[in-house]
Amino acid sequence: QVRLVESGGGVVQPGGSLRLSCAASGFTLSSHAMHWVRQAPGKGLEWVAFIRFDGNNRYYADSVRGRFTISRDISENTLYLDMSSLRAEDTAVYSCAKEEGEIDAFDIWGQGTMVTVSS
Amino acid sequence: DIQMTQSPSSLSASVGDRVTITCRASQTINKYLNWYQHKPGKAPKLLIYGVSSLQSGVPSRFSGNGSGTDFTLTISGLQPEDFATYCCQQSYSSPFTFGQGTKVEIK
Repeated sequence: QVRLVESGGGVVQPGGSLRLSCAASGFTLSSHAMHWVRQAPGKGLEWVAFIRFDGNNRYYADSVRGRFTISRDISENTLYLDMSSLRAEDTAVYSCAKEEGEIDAFDIWGQGTMVTVSS
Repeated sequence: DIQMTQSPSSLSASVGDRVTITCRASQTINKYLNWYQHKPGKAPKLLIYGVSSLQSGVPSRFSGNGSGTDFTLTISGLQPEDFATYCCQQSYSSPFTFGQGTKVEIK
């Protein structure tokens, strides 16, 4: 069964750092592009970051570029989002999503992990 | 960046109603338009990709249409399980922006 499970969320102070994980099962990360998407309380979905299937291209939203890094461990079949210099406006549920290249859409999503940036 | 604007932001409807949600892109995105359903506490679900292609397992009461910059999602015969938030997304270019969402509520 194709599945994505996020972990690593929590409460962090402004300026702090956090690493989110997304464990994939039922498919291999080396065959698919992956994304991180977030939803702040009361807001819509916001795309955050992308990593190509071969790991050679990574894109970021302007709001996180320079502070967040997307990466993956193929041996663990796990996607990561390293977040630093966190701000209150980064408070959100963070979800990972698998891109199905043939249809250019996010066909599998995780349920998300909550990140709260607060002092 | 491509901006995606959905309307309405919310609507009330009854079981059996036909509902149409509109999404407008700030520039042409060809056929790179997807629709997702999102329920609280659950993972978003892909409904429609490439403007009008139904994702496997999605009921045929969902349909998508449009071209260029203007797109619609129609639910023909609303069911109780369809009350949720729907959002469009462009996969034409990074950043892969979403619409702000349309909440479909029970009248």
